[in-house]
Amino acid sequence: SAVISQKPSRDICQRGTSLTIQCQVDSQVTMMFWYRQQPGQSLTLIATANQGSEATYESGFVIDKFPISRPNLTFSTLTVSNMSPEDSSIYLCSVESGTTDTQYFGPGTRLTVL
Amino acid sequence: GDSVTQMEGPVTLSEEAFLTINCTYTATGYPSLFWYVQYPGEGLQLLLKATKADDKGSNKGFEATYRKETTSFHLEKGSVQVSDSAVYFCALRSGGSYIPTFGRGTSLIVHP
Repeated sequence: SAVISQKPSRDICQRGTSLTIQCQVDSQVTMMFWYRQQPGQSLTLIATANQGSEATYESGFVIDKFPISRPNLTFSTLTVSNMSPEDSSIYLCSVESGTTDTQYFGPGTRLTVL
Repeated sequence: GDSVTQMEGPVTLSEEAFLTINCTYTATGYPSLFWYVQYPGEGLQLLLKATKADDKGSNKGFEATYRKETTSFHLEKGSVQVSDSAVYFCALRSGGSYIPTFGRGTSLIVHP
C-alpha cells in the first residue's frame, strides 16, 4: 500500500482567493488523482495527473479553475482558484497501486469558503 | 456506463448487532469490487476487495462476497462496535480503467 499525506488538512478561505493543496506519496507512482467530495456526497473525480504531462480533466472541471502540477513521481498540487462558497468540499488525493489494482487515498483537505 | 447503487443511510444499530449494507452494480465485463470506509474527519481507507466471482473479501470482521449472478457485493459484519461508525463506500473498477466508480456512501451509526 501507499502512504499519502496532504497539506493543509483544513482551511477556511475568503471568496475570490485561491488555495493550493499539496499531496505527497511515500513511493513513486505513475498516476495521481484528485477528487472532490461535497458534503454528504460521494467522490467526484476532478482530474488525473501524470508526471511530465498535462493533467486530464473530467467533464465539468477546467484547468483555469483547478490547475494541477505534477513535478515528480511522488508529489502533486491542486489549486482551487477564485473560490466561491460552492467550492467548499473535501479534496482528496489518490494514487493507483499498479500491483494491487487498488486506489489509495490521502486524508483529505477540508475546505470552507466564506 | 458503470454504476454502483448502495442502500441509503443512515443505518443505525446497537452495539453487537448484525450489519448488512447492500451494494449492487452495473458494469461491462468482470469488474473488481471494493469497500472503502471513511471515519469521521478522515479520508477513505480500503476495507476489503474481491476481484472475481465468488471471491470473499474480509478485513476487521467485515466480509463481502462477489456475486456475479445477482451483481451484488453486500457488506456484512456479525457484531458491530461503536468504533465502526463511519461512512462506507462500495466501488467497482472495470478492466482497463484506472478510475473506480463509487456509490453514494452509506452512513453507519452504532450506539452503545
